[in-house]
Amino acid sequence: QSALTQPRSVSGSPGQSVTISCTGTSSDVGGFNYVSWYQHHPGKVPKLMIYDVSKRPSGVPDRFSGSKSGNTASLTISGLHTEDEADYYCCSYAGDYTGVFGGGTKLTVL
Amino acid sequence: QVKLVESGGGVVQPGGSLRLSCAASGFTFRSYGMHWVRQAPGKGLEWVAFIRYDGGNHYYSDSVKGRFTMSRDNSRNTLSLQMSSLRAEDTAVYYCAKDLVGATFYFDFWGQGMLVTVSS
Repeated sequence: QSALTQPRSVSGSPGQSVTISCTGTSSDVGGFNYVSWYQHHPGKVPKLMIYDVSKRPSGVPDRFSGSKSGNTASLTISGLHTEDEADYYCCSYAGDYTGVFGGGTKLTVL
Repeated sequence: QVKLVESGGGVVQPGGSLRLSCAASGFTFRSYGMHWVRQAPGKGLEWVAFIRYDGGNHYYSDSVKGRFTMSRDNSRNTLSLQMSSLRAEDTAVYYCAKDLVGATFYFDFWGQGMLVTVSS
């Protein structure tokens, strides 16, 4: 159950696009299509942004999109807004009814 | 609306025990799997435990297996996490979280979090 690997930080200017990667193994990200992404503003509760690799829950802007290739999943945020500045975490099902999160990525909107 | 309210956190000495509870409302509790997720100070999110909708099976991360026990009471819409043999590294904010469906490991609603501090 090693944490998935995410970049510690990414940044972008308003209106730009950023992509956050999430690398695991064939035992988690690569082995299942149960990948999700969470937005976490400090002091608030994490929010589900993407599930099933690329689906968006109701109310999540279509600026947020997800994809997966092999053992790496990605979250792309297009048309950055200042309110997108937050920590982002990926999560994958890891078999045997266990889950694993990524280490988190701090997004700074310059 | 869905509401999850944790209680029972606090300060405990290393080696001690503590029980967290989570009161659920606003959805058919007995139909959904539930999870505990934690976040240590300055660290990322960590999945801790999962219990099936009927409470028949529960699963744990390697870091807490054998020390933590998760349970649920579907008649009272409550979730519990019994923590024993606590270590300094268990210090974290603990969240109860609802699974999106049954056992997808998608967390669509979260409680506000409860701080557990393990310190002498």
